[in-house]
Amino acid sequence: DSGVTQTPKHLITATGQRVTLRCSPRSGDLSVYWYQQSLDQGLQFLIHYYNGEERAKGNILERFSAQQFPDLHSELNLSSLELGDSALYFCASSVALAGGFSSDTQYFGPGTRLTVL
Amino acid sequence: GDSVTQMEGPVTLSEEAFLTINCTYTATGYPSLFWYVQYPGEGLQLLLKATKADDKGSNKGFEATYRKETTSFHLEKGSVQVSDSAVYFCALSDPVNTGFQKLVFGTGTRLLVSP
Repeated sequence: DSGVTQTPKHLITATGQRVTLRCSPRSGDLSVYWYQQSLDQGLQFLIHYYNGEERAKGNILERFSAQQFPDLHSELNLSSLELGDSALYFCASSVALAGGFSSDTQYFGPGTRLTVL
Repeated sequence: GDSVTQMEGPVTLSEEAFLTINCTYTATGYPSLFWYVQYPGEGLQLLLKATKADDKGSNKGFEATYRKETTSFHLEKGSVQVSDSAVYFCALSDPVNTGFQKLVFGTGTRLLVSP
């Protein structure tokens, strides 16, 4: 158990719908990362938040957005869902270092499996 | 940009066989290197890491050595068990290009160990 929690574990929805995935980082970690794992794209970085502030964006679609709240949990919002959005979505967290930097080591949650029908 | 290349799977071995999974990387500076493991139906678990040249990461009988001259980080285990059956991902985090903002993963190598 990494200490990172994600809910829900499974989500089944229809095309065009909107869903919210939730992540709670390890106690004390300020950084939260989101990744998408799909059969065709592999593991892709989506976005990084540090203490409520967006720090980096990867291959994240405009239909997707994220935020990190004052209690440090994060939510990933996926809207206008398409069949191709079906994937496993992982959240990871890492320790904050001095100077506002993040550790290089990330710990992953169990993931949310999204199925779009 | 940064990239990680892993050997294609599946790798099929008998119990107690020697395991090597090859991993090479491309990065600008001196990345940190990782191996993660994903057991069926589960998330990614950090297996081991190395942060500088010639460092050896080790955990649960698995080892990998950071080779800057060959830009490689091959995973090895002397004697695999059925319980090692999983998908193994090599990854890097680059302090120069991304400031450790993200992990770049290889495509994963599935290991199947039979009794």
